[in-house]
Amino acid sequence: DAKTTQPPSMDCAEGRAANLPCNHSTISGNEYVYWYRQIHSQGPQYIIHGLKNNETNEMASLIITEDRKSSTLILPHATLRDTAVYYCIVRVQGGSEKLVFGKGMKLTVNP
Amino acid sequence: EAGVAQSPRYKIIEKRQSVAFWCNPISGHATLYWYQQILGQGPKLLIQFQNNGVVDDSQLPKDRFSAERLKGVDSTLKIQPAKLEDSAVYLCASSAGTGYNQETQYFGPGTRLLVL
Repeated sequence: DAKTTQPPSMDCAEGRAANLPCNHSTISGNEYVYWYRQIHSQGPQYIIHGLKNNETNEMASLIITEDRKSSTLILPHATLRDTAVYYCIVRVQGGSEKLVFGKGMKLTVNP
Repeated sequence: EAGVAQSPRYKIIEKRQSVAFWCNPISGHATLYWYQQILGQGPKLLIQFQNNGVVDDSQLPKDRFSAERLKGVDSTLKIQPAKLEDSAVYLCASSAGTGYNQETQYFGPGTRLLVL
């Protein structure tokens, strides 16, 4: 079973920041937070991951609360091509533990 | 760099028939995964290979599903015989390995299977 909770859907206006929440209240100390997204009719795409510090790459920023029980994925300037299902996953890094996908959250970016 | 290739992209069969899917991972990637994604759900891991050995096949319905990766490169997933509930998208993914900073999974476009 997935260890995270996400709202089922969210809308965002094009050009605005999209803040995607994720709750992981039972996260263990050695578990990382991973984000993937899946655009319609494509396979999932890796976005970013982090342990406790905030992370940023060319796609997004990841903000993890100090108690690590929740996180927010930020797309700073959402475009129509960011419309997708976003998956928040927690797992241990560097082991054989599998990725367990929940139902994710559908983000719709509106013009 | 070429991505993960899968074929066919679509397949329609009748129940009790057999079907096979093919996957060619990113060059040099040691770890290969097959996922099943039923409509409205997230992908579910069926089997994981490390080179040509099976690491995890705990969720593979072994009475009808089989997979192989004989030379540690490309892989095939077979269903025989197919059931209606096997209708899904079958995704292949690969990663450089399973160690630290090697495990980002790159997914192919998937094969959409419809069993009638």
